[in-house]
Amino acid sequence: EIVLTQSPATLSLSPGERATLSCRASQSVSSYLAWYQQKPGQAPRLLIYDASNRATGIPARFSGSGSGTDFTLTISSLEPEDFAVYYCQQRSNWPPTFGPGTKVDIK
Amino acid sequence: EVQLVESGGGLVQPGGSLRLSCAASGFTFSSYWMSWVRQAPGKGLEWVANIKQDGSEKYYVDSVKGRFTISRDNAKNSLYLQMNSLRAEDTAVYYCARDTVEGVADDWGQGTLVTVSS
Repeated sequence: EIVLTQSPATLSLSPGERATLSCRASQSVSSYLAWYQQKPGQAPRLLIYDASNRATGIPARFSGSGSGTDFTLTISSLEPEDFAVYYCQQRSNWPPTFGPGTKVDIK
Repeated sequence: EVQLVESGGGLVQPGGSLRLSCAASGFTFSSYWMSWVRQAPGKGLEWVANIKQDGSEKYYVDSVKGRFTISRDNAKNSLYLQMNSLRAEDTAVYYCARDTVEGVADDWGQGTLVTVSS
């Protein structure tokens, strides 16, 4: 099973700041990496799939990059609604696995 | 608009069974892989099982193999998860999800809570 690690565990930022979240895989997942956003009491929401493709309706301030074992989700300028937990997830090998999450909270 | 509505969760004793259902609408259900993903209280996400468009392929995470069965009825636009021999560690919110491609969940239901406790 591929293990994903995310850093940092918590990111404290102010609205308008840039957020950079990292995800590292225990082995190469090629570009088969997705990012999800989850707010309290809500289902996850797909943001990015296959490393850099924005899902339908996702604002351009969200971007993804990376391949192999190292990936980054960047939020160019945080909006109030962006404060949430972000999970990375690989689909290279069964079972699809998720990272433990990065919480982006308000500084 | 894509809608996924789960039902069937509840409180069950260890060793018991539950059947979860997911009613899908707003898209051509028979054209998509479908999945169940769960989240234990206060914890992260775990992909439980998925099923191919025609039901010919099914995959399970090791922790539920032999106990859970995923199925679908394309005529009823419905996805199911039969859960047997339930354990305390199966306690979670269970989400039904549509896969935009296999292994990428682009639409999710609101989830149904399964609690396994005596």
